Amino acid sequence: GEDVEQSLFLSVREGDSSVINCTYTDSSSTYLYWYKQEPGAGLQLLTYIFSNMDMKQDQRLTVLLNKKDKHLSLRIADTQTGDSAIYFCAESPNSGAGSYQLTFGKGTKLSVIP
Amino acid sequence: DAGVTQSPTHLIKTRGQQVTLRCSPKSGHDTVSWYQQALGQGPQFIFQYYEEEERQRGNFPDRFSGHQFPNYSSELNVNALLLGDSALYLCASSPAHLGEQFFGPGTRLTVL
Repeated sequence: GEDVEQSLFLSVREGDSSVINCTYTDSSSTYLYWYKQEPGAGLQLLTYIFSNMDMKQDQRLTVLLNKKDKHLSLRIADTQTGDSAIYFCAESPNSGAGSYQLTFGKGTKLSVIP
Repeated sequence: DAGVTQSPTHLIKTRGQQVTLRCSPKSGHDTVSWYQQALGQGPQFIFQYYEEEERQRGNFPDRFSGHQFPNYSSELNVNALLLGDSALYLCASSPAHLGEQFFGPGTRLTVL
C-alpha cells in the first residue's frame, strides 16, 4: 500500500535554508504536495509538483523530485520565525479524471531559532 | 472568496452519541473530501464526494457516512462515537479535474 515517510523534527537558525525530506512508495503517484499546518489550524497548500517534473520553484520555496528514488524535498530559503510549523508531504494518484485521496506523511515539525 | 469553511469549530460529545459536521467548499469547487487527523499524526482520508455521490472511501468503518448537497456543500456523520474518534476533522475541496485540495480550518471533536 501507499506510504509516505518524513523525519519528525528539524531545527534551523533564522536566515538559514531549511530542507525537509520525504519518501513515498506509490509509483503511480501523479501529484506530490507540500502543506503547512500552524498550531490549531487547518492545512495550507504551499506548493505541488507533477510527477513528470524534477523541480519547481516558487519564491522562497524549491521542490525537488527524484522519481527513481521516490524522494521529494522542500527547501525554504532565508527561513523566518513565521515559517515555524508542521510541514506535511502528501501524494495522490490523480488520474486526471478527478481528485482522489491524498496520502500524508506524519509531518515534520520545523522550529526556527531566532 | 471565503475559502473552505467548516462548522462547528469545536464539539464535545460522549461515547455512543452521533455527530454531524458541515463543510462549504471554496467557490468554483465541486469535489469535497474529508480527513481525520489524530493528535500528532498526518490526516487520514475518510471519503470523497463528487456529484452528490461517494466516489472513493478510505479505511474507515460504516459508522462514518457522508452526504453532498446540490450546492456542493457536504456533511460528515459519525454514529456510535468512540473515544478514538476524538480528532481534528478536516474538509478539503477541489475542482473536479485538478489535483490541488484546499483545506478548511477543521472541526475539533472531543469524545468523552
